[in-house]
Amino acid sequence: DAKTTQPTSMDCAEGRAANLPCNHSTISGNEYVYWYRQIHSQGPQYIIHGLKNNKTNEMASLIITEDRKSSTLILPHATLRDTAVYYCIVRALIIQGAQKLVFGQGTRLTINP
Amino acid sequence: DGGITQSPKYLFRKEGQNVTLSCEQNLNHDAMYWYRQDPGQGLRLIYYSQIVNDFQKGDIAEGYSVSREKKESFPLTVTSAQKNPTAFYLCASSPPSSGRSYNEQFFGPGTRLTVL
Repeated sequence: DAKTTQPTSMDCAEGRAANLPCNHSTISGNEYVYWYRQIHSQGPQYIIHGLKNNKTNEMASLIITEDRKSSTLILPHATLRDTAVYYCIVRALIIQGAQKLVFGQGTRLTINP
Repeated sequence: DGGITQSPKYLFRKEGQNVTLSCEQNLNHDAMYWYRQDPGQGLRLIYYSQIVNDFQKGDIAEGYSVSREKKESFPLTVTSAQKNPTAFYLCASSPPSSGRSYNEQFFGPGTRLTVL
């Protein structure tokens, strides 16, 4: 699985867009980019995933560069409840069976009032 | 309500004792997972199971054992052979494919184990 690099921590003002970068320069053609987040002392929560096209859902937007070597998770209007550790994970898609995920240290995002 | 339950939330044990952590899900998910998280670190996979009566070792299986006798249950035993058992333990499950493009993992609230 491709290795990912994320900043250790970031701050963002409440109501502003939070942009979380992730580098995955060794990503393979069949590997997807997944984002999870973990609020303090809780289990991680799936946010979004993508292969090469930009994606948007009710939680966030995922922008993947054309060469797929990096991506950005965007929380359009950050709230205090978005304070969490955000994990960027890269791995091949498995349609059936167990999906082994490798969680790095992630980015600790703090939303300030 | 559907979900994953882990009990208890906090668990204390003496060194040298085996302890079993409970994980139950009523989501009808086939795959289940156990992760360990140490302070300030990401999650590491201990064991996973794709189907009843089947399970595979993850990246850090030494000192742990699991069983999958029922689809809903995937208990984890932390044995005395685990050198540093104090950690936050998270259970997860993922649904069957059913034409979905990705089977995201749903996590339980976790059990914080402290070995004294």
